Amino acid sequence: AQRVTQPEKLLSVFKGAPVELKCNYSYSGSPELFWYVQYSRQRLQLLLRHISRESIKGFTADLNKGETSFHLKKPFAQEEDSAMYYCALSANTDKLIFGTGTRLQVFP
Amino acid sequence: GAGVSQSPSNKVTEKGKDVELRCDPISGHTALYWYRQSLGQGLEFLIYFQGNSAPDKSGLPSDRFSAERTGGSVSTLTIQRTQQEDSAVYLCASSLTGDSGNTIYFGEGSWLTVV
Repeated sequence: AQRVTQPEKLLSVFKGAPVELKCNYSYSGSPELFWYVQYSRQRLQLLLRHISRESIKGFTADLNKGETSFHLKKPFAQEEDSAMYYCALSANTDKLIFGTGTRLQVFP
Repeated sequence: GAGVSQSPSNKVTEKGKDVELRCDPISGHTALYWYRQSLGQGLEFLIYFQGNSAPDKSGLPSDRFSAERTGGSVSTLTIQRTQQEDSAVYLCASSLTGDSGNTIYFGEGSWLTVV
């Protein structure tokens, strides 16, 4: 069965510190992986997807098929990065399977 | 036009009552999804509609839950005989097609509290 695991419920860092939000998945085929973000009082929105290989708001994520991971990274966290982050998997189906989310708190 | 619209934004209901939650997807989007967001549970897939195809109901937690999509646009999620464990934020989302390459756009959600 397809599954997404985000082991950290809460990640707290100081402004300027590096950030890594962990995401592991289980799927035997070739998945598509996404990161969604929900800022306070805003709707859930797409942050980035692995097929685009892009950097959004300084965040990057690399798909590691050997480790079945898709960790989200940013070298220098900003206070405005504080939000709830969800990793999601699309496995040749039309729906996204989400992880339980990680709340990132960036302190000044 | 406007994004995905959901109503009501907040609903408090008594245990045992039925509730209906409405979703207006983005105009022209053929794919529509319902998810449930509970504290500590993340986002739980409920049901998916794509065009005229039979909906994927594999995520509905019990037969008290049902959803329909009329005319390929507006969708209604119905919860019968609500229980306290149904309390959650119910999120609707839509995408242009069901292709996983399309971005999924979420509504602001309907916060359901069962007392």
